[in-house]
Amino acid sequence: DTGVSQDPRHKITKRGQNVTFRCDPISEHNRLYWYRQTLGQGPEFLTYFQNEAQLEKSRLLSDRFSAERPKGSFSTLEIQRTEQGDSAMYLCASSPRGSQVATNEKLFFGSGTQLSVL
Amino acid sequence: AQKITQTQPGMFVQEKEAVTLDCTYDTSDQSYGLFWYKQPSSGEMIFLIYQGSYDEQNATEGRYSLNFQKARKSANLVISASQLGDSAMYFCAMRGSNYKLTFGKGTLLTVNP
Repeated sequence: DTGVSQDPRHKITKRGQNVTFRCDPISEHNRLYWYRQTLGQGPEFLTYFQNEAQLEKSRLLSDRFSAERPKGSFSTLEIQRTEQGDSAMYLCASSPRGSQVATNEKLFFGSGTQLSVL
Repeated sequence: AQKITQTQPGMFVQEKEAVTLDCTYDTSDQSYGLFWYKQPSSGEMIFLIYQGSYDEQNATEGRYSLNFQKARKSANLVISASQLGDSAMYFCAMRGSNYKLTFGKGTLLTVNP
């Protein structure tokens, strides 16, 4: 169990540039989540995959955001035309396989990607 | 809609003493789960403890215990025998009938030597 891995750990970009983050979940986990955490706040849900299917996107995820999980393994989160308001920690989490989400499903988080938009 | 409220932005505790971090929640779901996560400065969210809404006993995990008072909709975290390594942000979270984990704003705990 190598844990959830996120790359890069830090990203500094200029406003208007595109950025892409990668998340490698724990290998046997079929569910993958993206969360965003701004300073002084708890993580907020962005989107969720079960295997390769993206099942829901939060209203927080504008059209500039896109997430993929090809082949149900790693996932990427791309932000196009970044804005200063996109500056945040982007956290990825995964959870074990199962046909139903249970209330006791525990999420395993990565260390996040800290994005700074100048 | 689910809501988590953590009213303590920051807490201080002396090493080896116990500390309680407050959490109240609001949900219309009958079945739900409550979680506490620790986030050190490295950024990773570390799972600490879980309590189900139908669990009759308060959850315990080592030095962590959850004081669950269903009627008051509170799920306070108790850390016994605090250690310097316990200094971190602590988040209360819940999951109800959907798959989203909803977090509070967190409490920054500082353990003093």
